[in-house]
Amino acid sequence: EPEVTQTPSHQVTQMGQEVILRCVPISNHLYFYWYRQILGQKVEFLVSFYNNEISEKSEIFDDQFSVERPDGSNFTLKIRSTKLEDSAMYFCASSADRIQETQYFGPGTRLLVL
Amino acid sequence: GESVGLHLPTLSVQEGDNSIINCAYSNSASDYFIWYKQESGKGPQFIIDIRSNMDKRQGQRVTVLLNKTVKHLSLQIAATQPGDSAVYFCAENKASGSRLTFGEGTQLTVNP
Repeated sequence: EPEVTQTPSHQVTQMGQEVILRCVPISNHLYFYWYRQILGQKVEFLVSFYNNEISEKSEIFDDQFSVERPDGSNFTLKIRSTKLEDSAMYFCASSADRIQETQYFGPGTRLLVL
Repeated sequence: GESVGLHLPTLSVQEGDNSIINCAYSNSASDYFIWYKQESGKGPQFIIDIRSNMDKRQGQRVTVLLNKTVKHLSLQIAATQPGDSAVYFCAENKASGSRLTFGEGTQLTVNP
């Protein structure tokens, strides 16, 4: 069964450093998403992406964040200058369509900012 | 010291019992609802969804009920098994948007 994959599974970084989280969405899906989950809290939407541009973003997704689809398979989230409060689990998701279609989630990348 | 973070509602059941997990949603414009299961250290796993033109949908051992009048969603799990132990989140989506808004989550523990 096709699934969303994410690398790395864990990332430890120093405050102020740049990190890139990588995702490979399900191959025939067209919509891609990033969510995050701070430990013990609910999952929060960051951004959605379609046709090589951002279609929707939350208030969390500020200028420190960017997304890119560098090739036909990868989807990346870059945090330019990490802060302590960026420590969280980051989930990538993809869906075949945007309108009321199931979003399938990857296993996540646990980011720890020291 | 004081713990930080969200205190999840919990539900503890015996193996073989039926479980009912409830969720209240806030946005009356939401018209698509999903239940996800999240095991420790893993990503949310799709269980079942329902659109606002329905009030009930059944899957394998799971049923979702939607009450739009009171903005309430429930997940029923029949013959609960130890493998069902996880945190269950409801999520809502508006047709005009792409984001999923997740609820608070319920920690289900199944005792053998």
